[in-house]
Amino acid sequence: GNSVTQMEGPVTLSEEAFLTINCTYTATGYPSLFWYVQYPGEGLQLLLKATKADDKGSNKGFEATYRKETTSFHLEKGSVQVSDSAVYFCALSPQLNSGGYQKVTFGTGTKLQVIP
Amino acid sequence: DGGITQSPKYLFRKEGQNVTLSCEQNLNHDAMYWYRQDPGQGLRLIYYSQIVNDFQKGDIAEGYSVSREKKESFPLTVTSAQKNPTAFYLCASSQTGYNSPLHFGNGTRLTVT
Repeated sequence: GNSVTQMEGPVTLSEEAFLTINCTYTATGYPSLFWYVQYPGEGLQLLLKATKADDKGSNKGFEATYRKETTSFHLEKGSVQVSDSAVYFCALSPQLNSGGYQKVTFGTGTKLQVIP
Repeated sequence: DGGITQSPKYLFRKEGQNVTLSCEQNLNHDAMYWYRQDPGQGLRLIYYSQIVNDFQKGDIAEGYSVSREKKESFPLTVTSAQKNPTAFYLCASSQTGYNSPLHFGNGTRLTVT
């Protein structure tokens, strides 16, 4: 079956440090890949997505590139801020679905804490 | 603004009682989902619905029930048969197509004692 593996957290960084959160996946075909962010006490929000190999998703200074050869979708940001403290989830939606249903597979989440 | 509304934000129940969590969306999405979130386990799918009056079991449906009488609404009932109901419950919706992202509500934290 499909699976998503994220690096375990928590990740603690100083403000303005470089961020990488690793994500690798297992799936057949060409799934769509997503990063979601969850702030304390809230639901998940879409951060960025990529739908085909070599696509780069980007939003709010975050980037991730769909690497088919390494089945990876690592999240990066050049300079983190305290406001980036949250839990980050990598997810995939397989290419083949029955009807309109999306069988999304989530990673377990990586907690990021940014200290001033 | 369009979005998903879950209510209440916090819910407390005694063991043995059924409880219903509300989820309403005004995004005109056909598909709706219920997830359960436990620390360190990511999100697990409870039920999903692609159209009105139709829904399917997800990975952990035992002890839960749903209905989809209107496109906008997808309430979840946690029954007394659910052995470990204390968790954070998230409702989501999406357009059809595997490229479409999920839109989430802000969740309901259920505590059963």
